[in-house]
Amino acid sequence: AQSVTQLDSHVSVSEGTPVLLRCNYSSSYSPSLFWYVQHPNKGLQLLLKYTSAATLVKGINGFEAEFKKSETSFHLTKPSAHMSDAAEYFCVVHSGGYQKVTFGTGTKLQVIP
Amino acid sequence: DAMVIQNPRYQVTQFGKPVTLSCSQTLNHNVMYWYQQKSSQAPKLLFHYYDKDFNNEADTPDNFQSRRPNTSFCFLDIRSPGLGDAAMYLCATSMQTGSYEQYFGPGTRLTVT
Repeated sequence: AQSVTQLDSHVSVSEGTPVLLRCNYSSSYSPSLFWYVQHPNKGLQLLLKYTSAATLVKGINGFEAEFKKSETSFHLTKPSAHMSDAAEYFCVVHSGGYQKVTFGTGTKLQVIP
Repeated sequence: DAMVIQNPRYQVTQFGKPVTLSCSQTLNHNVMYWYQQKSSQAPKLLFHYYDKDFNNEADTPDNFQSRRPNTSFCFLDIRSPGLGDAAMYLCATSMQTGSYEQYFGPGTRLTVT
C-alpha cells in the first residue's frame, strides 16, 4: 500500500519570505519521492527527487527537500519566495520497479507582493 | 531538445463522438503514462505501458483505451466521451530503472460539448 498526504491545500507567503510545503508519505516499498510544480494550464515540471542517496535534496529554482524516514516526511522548502513561484505543487511517491505512482492532492502556493 | 509532445493542445469533441489524443517522445523512455487531471485536482493515473506491456489502473473506465504502436508514440482513445470526461490529459514518460522521474508533456485540454 502507498499513500501521500499534502498537509496544506493552500499556502500564502509574502515575496522574500520562506516557503514550506509539507508532504508525508507511506509505502510498503523503498520509494522514490518527487516534487513537481505545475503552472496554470501547463504540464508538470520536476523540481527535485529523492532516490535513496543524500537525504537533503537540492532542486531547481532554489528549492530543497529533506527526506526524513523516521517522520515519513519529504517537506519542500525555499528560503525566499519569488512571485514566479506561485503555482501548484505536487508531492509524488513512486514504488520503483513496481510502477506504482501516487500523487498528493496538491498545494497551491500564493505569493503576495 | 529531448521532449514529450502532445497533440493537439486543445481538443473539442461532441458527446459520444470518439476522440484520440496523441503523445510522442524523443527521450527513448520505455514507460509511458496517461493521466487525467480535472480542475483543481491532482493528476489521476489511467494506465501505463512498460514497453508494449499494458497496465490498466483498476478504476479506469472501459471507455478509455490506449495504443502504443512503437516506443515513441502512445495514443489515448475515448470511445464515447461524456461530459464528465472533460479534463486535461497528461502524457508522461520515464525509464523503468534508475530514478523513475517522469517527464510530462504540456497536456491536451479536452472539451466535450
